[in-house]
Amino acid sequence: AQSVTQLGSHVSVSEGALVLLRCNYSSSVPPYLFWYVQYPNQGLQLLLKYTTGATLVKGINGFEAEFKKSETSFHLTKPSAHMSDAAEYFCAVSFRTGTASKLTFGTGTRLQVTL
Amino acid sequence: EPEVTQTPSHQVTQMGQEVILRCVPISNHLYFYWYRQILGQKVEFLVSFYNNEISEKSEIFDDQFSVERPDGSNFTLKIRSTKLEDSAMYFCASKSERVSYEQYFGPGTRLTVT
Repeated sequence: AQSVTQLGSHVSVSEGALVLLRCNYSSSVPPYLFWYVQYPNQGLQLLLKYTTGATLVKGINGFEAEFKKSETSFHLTKPSAHMSDAAEYFCAVSFRTGTASKLTFGTGTRLQVTL
Repeated sequence: EPEVTQTPSHQVTQMGQEVILRCVPISNHLYFYWYRQILGQKVEFLVSFYNNEISEKSEIFDDQFSVERPDGSNFTLKIRSTKLEDSAMYFCASKSERVSYEQYFGPGTRLTVT
């Protein structure tokens, strides 16, 4: 069955440190991959997406992610964390294209940024 | 920038009552979705809607649930007889046909069933 796994439900980093949030997927065909961010009491905002082409994708707020087919991974990184990055981050995949393809979400990683 | 809007932001209802959650998708979008997020859990797909019919639904979307696009702008989710376990945040999303990958999410409606 197709699935998304986010390792680590909570990640804590110091301000200025590297952020690494892990996402792995299971699929028989290459999916389309997304990272969404959810700030407290708010909706989901798209950070970045991979559909085709360059496997390193850059998103908003300095985040980037690299699609590694051999590792079935799409980890999210940011070189230097800011306090404002504290939020819940969801990896999501879509397994069909060109139609009303649903998103399948991982369980989320709560990022805490400390001084 | 166009955005998806949802009303109400918070709905409290008693078990067994009907609720209607409303969404206004982005105006030129053609695909519409409902997702839910039970407190502390992941976001789950409920249903997708295109060309005035359901495209796909999850096992959560049973006979108690229905969706409708009553006019050119609104997209609604109705729960006929709410249960305690329906308490969750419900998100509406929409997608254009031209950019077929990115779904835009609304801010959500928090449904509390007592």
